[in-house]
Amino acid sequence: GAVVSQHPSWVICKSGTSVKIECRSLDFQATTMFWYRQFPKQSLMLMATSNEGSKATYEQGVEKDKFLINHASLTLSTLTVTSAHPEDSSFYICSASGREARGYNEQFFGPGTRLTVL
Amino acid sequence: QKEVEQNSGPLSVPEGAIASLNCTYSDRGSQSFFWYRQYSGKSPELIMFIYSNGDKEDGRFTAQLNKASQYVSLLIRDSQPSDSATYLCAVNTAGNQFYFGTGTSLTVIP
Repeated sequence: GAVVSQHPSWVICKSGTSVKIECRSLDFQATTMFWYRQFPKQSLMLMATSNEGSKATYEQGVEKDKFLINHASLTLSTLTVTSAHPEDSSFYICSASGREARGYNEQFFGPGTRLTVL
Repeated sequence: QKEVEQNSGPLSVPEGAIASLNCTYSDRGSQSFFWYRQYSGKSPELIMFIYSNGDKEDGRFTAQLNKASQYVSLLIRDSQPSDSATYLCAVNTAGNQFYFGTGTSLTVIP
């Protein structure tokens, strides 16, 4: 299957700082990227969907001004958590699907980024 | 009511037995259904997807879909200790929304 990487794999930051997480498709062109968040013992929650060159579509309840998503190229999407607070501590996972994808089954997940805000 | 519901478990089965994981969903118009496996601290990996009523088999895994009952299940035959993980059910609804269940923790006892 296709490979998706995330960087960093884990990050610890102070409250009030901003953190950028990168999601890259290594061997295919990702026309759509998805960003998820998972709190301990809870399900993955879709935060937003981004198409290359377009603004991201955010799920209900997700603050677009706090979670900035940029999908500037076919291989890179970034999620920036602005003014992070301890309640933003979570496991952030991206996934990507290519031009020929016909459904959600063809999304490839990155390894995730664990964010801890002190 | 949650969009996708799963029994959180934990479910324990002896090695070699059949593990049965269940999932119900609320949107009757949902189109496609997925089972993911997630090891602790890792991202999910797709095991199977199913679109049509009935059974779909892939190796030791069988997905079963019953749209009338809004029910999808995953059977794992000849369970192995390496199958111990959390299994997530996911649904693509009629409105093209994508929801995960909270997952069922499976432990296969050697």
